[in-house]
Amino acid sequence: GENVEQHPSTLSVQEGDSAVIKCTYSDSASNYFPWYKQELGKRPQLIIDIRSNVGEKKDQRIAVTLNKTAKHFSLHITETQPEDSAVYFCAVRGAGGTSYGKLTFGQGTILTVHP
Amino acid sequence: DGGITQSPKYLFRKEGQNVTLSCEQNLNHDAMYWYRQDPGQGLRLIYYSQIVNDFQKGDIAEGYSVSREKKESFPLTVTSAQKNPTAFYLCASSMQRPALVAGGADTQYFGPGTRLTVL
Repeated sequence: GENVEQHPSTLSVQEGDSAVIKCTYSDSASNYFPWYKQELGKRPQLIIDIRSNVGEKKDQRIAVTLNKTAKHFSLHITETQPEDSAVYFCAVRGAGGTSYGKLTFGQGTILTVHP
Repeated sequence: DGGITQSPKYLFRKEGQNVTLSCEQNLNHDAMYWYRQDPGQGLRLIYYSQIVNDFQKGDIAEGYSVSREKKESFPLTVTSAQKNPTAFYLCASSMQRPALVAGGADTQYFGPGTRLTVL
């Protein structure tokens, strides 16, 4: 099945700095890559996603880049704010065999933005 | 997200008991999913269902059972065979059946979760 590795596990930045979280995956046929934000005790919320036919997508301060050759994708948050503090999860949707259609999640990154 | 509800919010179970977690959605979504979340391990898929009366095992199905008798409902039973059931359980749903998606987005929307504790 799909194997997703997410780094770093914790990330601490000063307000206004940028934050980058990276995920690698194993199945080259995977075709959909969402990022979720989860605040303490709450449900995960989709913040941005990218499909395999696109290399980069941006939504205000958030961007995602995808390198299909290297099988990795990254979340970029610019001008971080304290309310960006949360756990961020990457996920990969399988496209073949027993992984088809299922999301496999990374282990999560705890982002802390200090005022 | 408001269209997916889970109950109860907190659940306490004695060892040896079966308990059932409820998940309901009014989004007319075909697919529904159950995940387990433990600290530092992300979300792991327990079971998923693409259509009524059909479901498949995920990565950690042992000790769990599900049913999908109605499109809106996908209850999860945590049986006594599950050795370490204390966790945060999340239900999710998506619009399209995964097997029919060919490059289109298949966004999963999550319920608020149920925190299960074994006493």
